[in-house]
Amino acid sequence: ETGVTQSPTHLIKTRGQQVTLRCSSQSGHNTVSWYQQALGQGPQFIFQYYREEENGRGNFPPRFSGLQFPNYSSELNVNALELDDSALYLCASSPGSANYGYTFGSGTRLTVV
Amino acid sequence: QQQVKQSPQSLIVQKGGISIINCAYENTAFDYFPWYQQFPGKGPALLIAIRPDVSEKKEGRFTISFNKSAKQFSLHIMDSQPGDSATYFCAASLPQGGKLIFGQGTELSVKP
Repeated sequence: ETGVTQSPTHLIKTRGQQVTLRCSSQSGHNTVSWYQQALGQGPQFIFQYYREEENGRGNFPPRFSGLQFPNYSSELNVNALELDDSALYLCASSPGSANYGYTFGSGTRLTVV
Repeated sequence: QQQVKQSPQSLIVQKGGISIINCAYENTAFDYFPWYQQFPGKGPALLIAIRPDVSEKKEGRFTISFNKSAKQFSLHIMDSQPGDSATYFCAASLPQGGKLIFGQGTELSVKP
């Protein structure tokens, strides 16, 4: 049984650019959630996908968007990058639409310069 | 009302001692309270979780104490070891799911 894998592990982008982060969920998990973790802070919920549909969204602007694919893998897209978008982006998968049994990946460290 | 407040921000404990981290919440609709452990460069890993109908849950050296009337819950790490040095997060979620609300984190350092 594999865990949650995220790619890339590190990324440097320029302000104004667009970025796509990828996540492969744990085997048997049909729900994927994305979180943003600024340095020294707790993770902040961005959105969740359940069976390819968005199932909840946090206080993030529309330039943060996502997709979930039929194999339950997921992408997080961020347009018009800002310096404050620099953070660790975490993907978590779970076996249902509730939050129980979350498994987090190791994250993608995004730096916007 | 959606916040979870965590204290202390940092904690230093001697090996073999007890580490105690506290969290408080406002929303009485929360129905799931997990604790996560995060090492540098890694994602959070679930340690232990509790529901509000239980006052205490123990798994190995880790215990959650839950006080529903005070809207507080805490993590106790017994016989703390240097390998427990990490950042710990409490969290809470609503029954309909959708998101976990995390505390600010506590950086624990266990000295040998």
